[in-house]
Amino acid sequence: DGGITQSPKYLFRKEGQNVTLSCEQNLNHDAMYWYRQDPGQGLRLIYYSQIVNDFQKGDIAEGYSVSREKKESFPLTVTSAQKNPTAFYLCASSYGTYHPGSSYEQYFGPGTRLTVT
Amino acid sequence: QQPVQSPQAVILREGEDAVINCSSSKALYSVHWYRQKHGEAPVFLMILLKGGEQKGHEKISASFNEKKQQSSLYLTASQLSYSGTYFCGTETDQGAQKLVFGQGTRLTINP
Repeated sequence: DGGITQSPKYLFRKEGQNVTLSCEQNLNHDAMYWYRQDPGQGLRLIYYSQIVNDFQKGDIAEGYSVSREKKESFPLTVTSAQKNPTAFYLCASSYGTYHPGSSYEQYFGPGTRLTVT
Repeated sequence: QQPVQSPQAVILREGEDAVINCSSSKALYSVHWYRQKHGEAPVFLMILLKGGEQKGHEKISASFNEKKQQSSLYLTASQLSYSGTYFCGTETDQGAQKLVFGQGTRLTINP
């Protein structure tokens, strides 16, 4: 079955440590996205990538980094520079275009809940 | 800029109808609607594009007023499974589906 996987589901880290969140998709989607969600809030875009080896900053990119070396994978690193990293992180993918006959939706992974103490 | 959703929360009895609104201060290319249950990933409901094209689930309906930069999601004959938080995501320029999401509308359906 096609879909998006994120691992791990729960992650605990000490303050000052970098941590990498995994996101893999087998939907043959060109575009991938990382969102952050805080309790009671909407989703905020961290980074997105439309094609391999290219990515752009979203609205809250400070303290985060990404890579897109393969079409299927878009890992997110939360660095020690991120002042408040505890949050629910969601990865999504889509075809990224609106060609008739294609699916327009963004498919979301199950999320990783990161707690930094 | 983040779109504004209203109401922030609504409580219904099963079988009642609800309307959730999404308003932006910027001209929009598309509006996406998602539903999220607690602790889970958002699930796609509907997308409305500038020019009138719509794609989504059969039992969900929505409107998009391009001139007013507003969209509304219509939930009719609500079922218990409709409970959750509804988010609109707006796109101002065509390309890459770079969405800005509203703060969400929490919908509770009681038996």
